[in-house]
Amino acid sequence: KNEVEQSPQNLTAQEGEFITINCSYSVGISALHWLQQHPGGGIVSLFMLSSGKKKHGRLIATINIQEKHSSLHITASHPRDSAVYICAARRDSNYQLIWGAGTKLIIKP
Amino acid sequence: NAGVTQTPKFQVLKTGQSMTLQCAQDMNHEYMSWYRQDPGMGLRLIHYSVGAGITDQGEVPNGYNVSRSTTEDFPLRLLSAAPSQTSVYFCASSLMTGRQPQHFGDGTRLSIL
Repeated sequence: KNEVEQSPQNLTAQEGEFITINCSYSVGISALHWLQQHPGGGIVSLFMLSSGKKKHGRLIATINIQEKHSSLHITASHPRDSAVYICAARRDSNYQLIWGAGTKLIIKP
Repeated sequence: NAGVTQTPKFQVLKTGQSMTLQCAQDMNHEYMSWYRQDPGMGLRLIHYSVGAGITDQGEVPNGYNVSRSTTEDFPLRLLSAAPSQTSVYFCASSLMTGRQPQHFGDGTRLSIL
């Protein structure tokens, strides 16, 4: 079993829908990263969080340390949100990042 | 600032050839790393460096070599290319060892025939 699991693997939705992407991890961590990879391949950091919730525009990230679970939400989704969303957990023992396999999101107009 | 610059963007090699993927950052980041990304899998760490003169192996180091002679540059060398090394390679940098968001290069798509 991978130490960081994302679900779903693929998600297709209509423009305007509320999107949730989940990330579960099995190791002790000190922070969790959410990143976005555009169809062109570039990877951009969205959030780094160690507790609670962070919001940036239409993106919201939450983490529950006790349940070892994080979610990324997108409100009022738009076709330009189509991308692969990746979570990465920062291991608290050596600070290395453990990467999820990514969730491919397609938003249809 | 250019951020993290990777070259080349694309490369085709024959089995057994060697080559160097270049990575440079202009943000004075101590931490630099190389990942490979294969379909259906998460990013896998090849090598990393916490500062000039210091490198260490990641999860999948075999067949790759790195050096860090300056803070800015972190080249990745393929010693004798194999088809299993066909992948997309990303270089990343950050201020501390994963304690800050990582900045990524645009990637190098490498095919080994």
